[in-house]
Amino acid sequence: QSVLTQPPSASGTPGQRVTISCSGSSSNIGSNTVSWYRRLPGTAPKLLIHSNNQRPSGVPDRFSGSKSGTSASLAISGLQSEDEADYYCAAWDDSLNGLYVFGTGTKVTVL
Amino acid sequence: QLQLQESGPGLVKPSETLSLTCTVSGGSISSSSYYWGWIRQPPGKGLEWIGSIYYSGSTYYYPSLKSRVTISVDTSKNQFSLKLSSVTAADTAVYYCARHLALDSSIDYWGQGTLVTVSS
Repeated sequence: QSVLTQPPSASGTPGQRVTISCSGSSSNIGSNTVSWYRRLPGTAPKLLIHSNNQRPSGVPDRFSGSKSGTSASLAISGLQSEDEADYYCAAWDDSLNGLYVFGTGTKVTVL
Repeated sequence: QLQLQESGPGLVKPSETLSLTCTVSGGSISSSSYYWGWIRQPPGKGLEWIGSIYYSGSTYYYPSLKSRVTISVDTSKNQFSLKLSSVTAADTAVYYCARHLALDSSIDYWGQGTLVTVSS
């Protein structure tokens, strides 16, 4: 179902910076804002970034988002062990009658 | 603090209809600032958006599921519901209800999720 493409995995050591990419098209990322979610094992996803680069209250400033054209990225600086999780990008897609699309997901491993 | 809670059978037989309800507490479902959706995650796979509904009743469905999905809202009970017909094993998943921000479609609140298994 996913129409947004992410790398399947990313890793880093504690304290490092990790970046996750999200590639879409003109009907989704190219036309609408991007959100990022983190899903820890056994828990519901949590919103990390919305409107491309806005952090909800309570999300540390170690998490930052950006968008350019039909691609977006999430950066995690000062990597911590609790950051080991699955990360998903998402955006509204204007094709057909409109739908919300998620990325393929990226598993972040803290080495 | 807003809370969303899914309820419904955890086991559904093939070819039958999956029915789930999401009860919203700590806030009103009747707000133009939000809309309400269902997302699922099959075992070992990623997140899949199923569809969403505004309090007014306007709906959006994922195209490949549209023929089998109905999402409805009951503002008097502050609930919204999902019905997925003719289920198969491929519909086995953790089902989440969620709140979208109308501003940018992001999902700021999620239910805890409920596992629905399709099996005879």
